[in-house]
Amino acid sequence: DIQMTQSPSSLSASVGDRVTITCRASQGISTYLNWYQQKPGKAPNLLIYAASSLQSGVPSRFSGSGSGTDFTLTISSLQPEDFATYYCQQSYTTPRTFGQGTKLEIK
Amino acid sequence: QVQLQESGPGLVKPSQTLSLTCTVSGGSISSGSYYWSWIRQPAGKGLEWIGRIYASGGTNYNPSLQSRVTISVDTSKNQFSLNLSSVTATDTAVYYCAREQTGVVRPFDYWGQGTLVTVSS
Repeated sequence: DIQMTQSPSSLSASVGDRVTITCRASQGISTYLNWYQQKPGKAPNLLIYAASSLQSGVPSRFSGSGSGTDFTLTISSLQPEDFATYYCQQSYTTPRTFGQGTKLEIK
Repeated sequence: QVQLQESGPGLVKPSQTLSLTCTVSGGSISSGSYYWSWIRQPAGKGLEWIGRIYASGGTNYNPSLQSRVTISVDTSKNQFSLNLSSVTATDTAVYYCAREQTGVVRPFDYWGQGTLVTVSS
């Protein structure tokens, strides 16, 4: 299985901050990397697919980059509604695997 | 707008079989452009992919669960189902169904709201 490792596991930030979350794959996955946002009691919501493509309806303050084994999710200016848990996921091969999550909290 | 909705018992006894159904609306499950997946999440933990099915009936399962999992599809009802046998307390989780795109990019673009299944006597 491909292991996905996110860092940090948790992060405190303020409204307006620029935030970056990192995801590392245990082997190369090209750009088969997706990012999701999950709020308490809700299903994950797709933000970024294919490492850098913004899902329709997702605000442009979200962006993704990377290829191979190292990827980043950046939120350019945090809004109150962005405080949530973020997961990366590889779609290179089965079994599909997710990172352990990064919980973004209000400072 | 595609919608997915999980249904099934919220309480299952240890050693029994967990059975859930996902009903798809707003689109045909028979479309050749998607896989239909089950994903679970224990309380306070991360996401685990269980497996997926294609409209033709082809399946892929997580090796960690493969011996206990069966996913099936009923195209006439626009539904797909999960059976997980010999459950224990570690199978207690919120279970999600989700649509995964096929082709070059393959994200989970639509999810059900999730259903909590508790394994307890």
